[in-house]
Amino acid sequence: EAQVTQNPRYLITVTGKKLTVTCSQNMNHEYMSWYRQDPGLGLRQIYYSMNVEVTDKGDVPEGYKVSRKEKRNFPLILESPSPNQTSLYFCAVGGGTRGYEQYFGPGTRLTVT
Amino acid sequence: KQEVTQIPAALSVPEGENLVLNCSFTDSAIYNLQWFRQDPGKGLTSLLLIQSSQREQTSGRLNASLDKSSGRSTLYIAASQPGDSATYLCAVRPGGAQKLVFGQGTRLTINP
Repeated sequence: EAQVTQNPRYLITVTGKKLTVTCSQNMNHEYMSWYRQDPGLGLRQIYYSMNVEVTDKGDVPEGYKVSRKEKRNFPLILESPSPNQTSLYFCAVGGGTRGYEQYFGPGTRLTVT
Repeated sequence: KQEVTQIPAALSVPEGENLVLNCSFTDSAIYNLQWFRQDPGKGLTSLLLIQSSQREQTSGRLNASLDKSSGRSTLYIAASQPGDSATYLCAVRPGGAQKLVFGQGTRLTINP
């Protein structure tokens, strides 16, 4: 079964404590991306990756880092989280023969106090 | 800058009705358009993908149309059921961009 998995699904942390949200896919797709969803602002792209070792900024990259060392994994790193990074985060995967139809993970709800 | 608008923001209809959700976008230079469903507290489920060269796509009771020149797409849901209750999101992939631009969604409630 094609899957995009994210861990953890829920996380409450404190300002400044580094954290990593993992994203993994079993579809062998090249494209992976991170979005955040906020009330009134909708979904906005944070970072994306076109392949291993190829990453680029999206619309709201400040305060985030990513890496793509393996095709299947695309972790999102918050080195010093702040309360304005409280949000619902989604990993997306795209590729294949259907013109980069994108598939989303189940989401990670992050609260920074 | 591409902007996507979905109207209405919320819609409530009785079970069994056919309904149409609307999506408009400001720049016709798109690669494709995708409709998603989002249940409360859950992720996004891809419903239909329409390439820029296509006019419509169908899956079961769902039919999505695309009029790129006018910047519009519609999602038609036939014979609605309570299980169709969810937020429906429209997203376009701008030409040359590696991202989706989302609308704010239409929250649909189907009343038994």
